[in-house]
Amino acid sequence: NAGVTQTPKFQVLKTGQSMTLQCAQDMNHNSMYWYRQDPGMGLRLIYYSASEGTTDKGEVPNGYNVSRLNKREFSLRLESAAPSQTSVYFCASSAVGAYEQYFGPGTRLTVT
Amino acid sequence: EDQVTQSPEALRLQEGESSSLNCSYTVSGLRGLFWYRQDPGKGPEFLFTLYSAGEEKEKERLKATLTKKESFLHITAPKPEDSATYLCASNNQAGTALIFGKGTTLSVSS
Repeated sequence: NAGVTQTPKFQVLKTGQSMTLQCAQDMNHNSMYWYRQDPGMGLRLIYYSASEGTTDKGEVPNGYNVSRLNKREFSLRLESAAPSQTSVYFCASSAVGAYEQYFGPGTRLTVT
Repeated sequence: EDQVTQSPEALRLQEGESSSLNCSYTVSGLRGLFWYRQDPGKGPEFLFTLYSAGEEKEKERLKATLTKKESFLHITAPKPEDSATYLCASNNQAGTALIFGKGTTLSVSS
């Protein structure tokens, strides 16, 4: 039981490049989330998916898009990366009727 | 505005020196108060959920308590391996996501 997995672990992009961060969970959870974590800012929600087929904006959605591919997978896309998107990105999931979320190991992204 | 505030930002303890971390919240309709541990370079690890004032939960040297406005994470006789950043979170008013505090970084020296 791997829990929540994320790929890649590290990525360096140049301004304007695009990329997709992948997330998968094997806990049969309905809800999935994408956060970014910046020094002094804490964890901030980018997008979430309450169930397969639905996605909603969080606190900081600008510059990102998401896809809930199926119940297991939730991807985050940066269409045109900017230095302000340099951050550590975490994916999380939670079960129906439960608010506690379980996190993946993170992707450290640097945009130069 | 829904908000979660943690204090102190950083805490240094000697091994065996007990202390508490504070988390205050201003969320209407609290459905859960959550504590996480985060080690450097890793994702947050779930520790506890507290649902109502007066509730307490324990795990090894950690005990979490909840009042109507605050939660405390008490650390009894800490060891160096307890060094980490401890994050507190509550649900947002809509109940759709978690709001995180900025964390308390605990360092325990032997």
